[in-house]
Amino acid sequence: KAGVTQTPRYLIKTRGQQVTLSCSPISGHRSVSWYQQTPGQGLQFLFEYFSETQRNKGNFPGRFSGRQFSNSRSEMNVSTLELGDSALYLCASSSSGTSYEQYFGPGTRLTVT
Amino acid sequence: AQKVTQAQTEISVVEKEDVTLDCVYETRDTTYYLFWYKQPPSGELVFLIRRNSFDEQNEISGRYSWNFQKSTSSFNFTITASQVVDSAVYFCALSEGLGDYKLSFGAGTTVTVRA
Repeated sequence: KAGVTQTPRYLIKTRGQQVTLSCSPISGHRSVSWYQQTPGQGLQFLFEYFSETQRNKGNFPGRFSGRQFSNSRSEMNVSTLELGDSALYLCASSSSGTSYEQYFGPGTRLTVT
Repeated sequence: AQKVTQAQTEISVVEKEDVTLDCVYETRDTTYYLFWYKQPPSGELVFLIRRNSFDEQNEISGRYSWNFQKSTSSFNFTITASQVVDSAVYFCALSEGLGDYKLSFGAGTTVTVRA
């Protein structure tokens, strides 16, 4: 099976702009989660989607949003970018069975200038 | 409050030495899952092992083994006979409750294996 894919891999944006990141889960996986990784805050949970519904949300401002499509692909959007949004954004998918194992993609490295 | 604590920031060993990574967690749930992930320089988090709160049996999988002790809320991970390819950042993570896929990660331990 192909793994989790994320596009784009690298992105440079200017403060105030918005950005959309994409994640394609492992085939058959219906749960998609997003995480932000920064040197200062480490790995932090953003949100999780299952069957096009947000099931869980972390402590991030409303500028961070996401959605999931019927084919389980997910996008996350960050509006009005701030310098502090520079991070590695990781997407993870899970079969949502009883294993709770999450498999991560390679991430999107976002740099805000 | 930090739910997962990895007290070791960095560990450096010579190839073939064993490496033990410490992890202490905090939760009020009786059902939870613990994980270890590896993040090599490429950046992708690689799933290593999972243990649920009802199974304290410690196991060995290849060169990996783990010691889960509910009494001390610890979930330690050992790499036996380390290799240079084991050099990475290792994260301990906690998922609380049934149906909750939110992972709370520790700060990570950087392992450097020298040839």
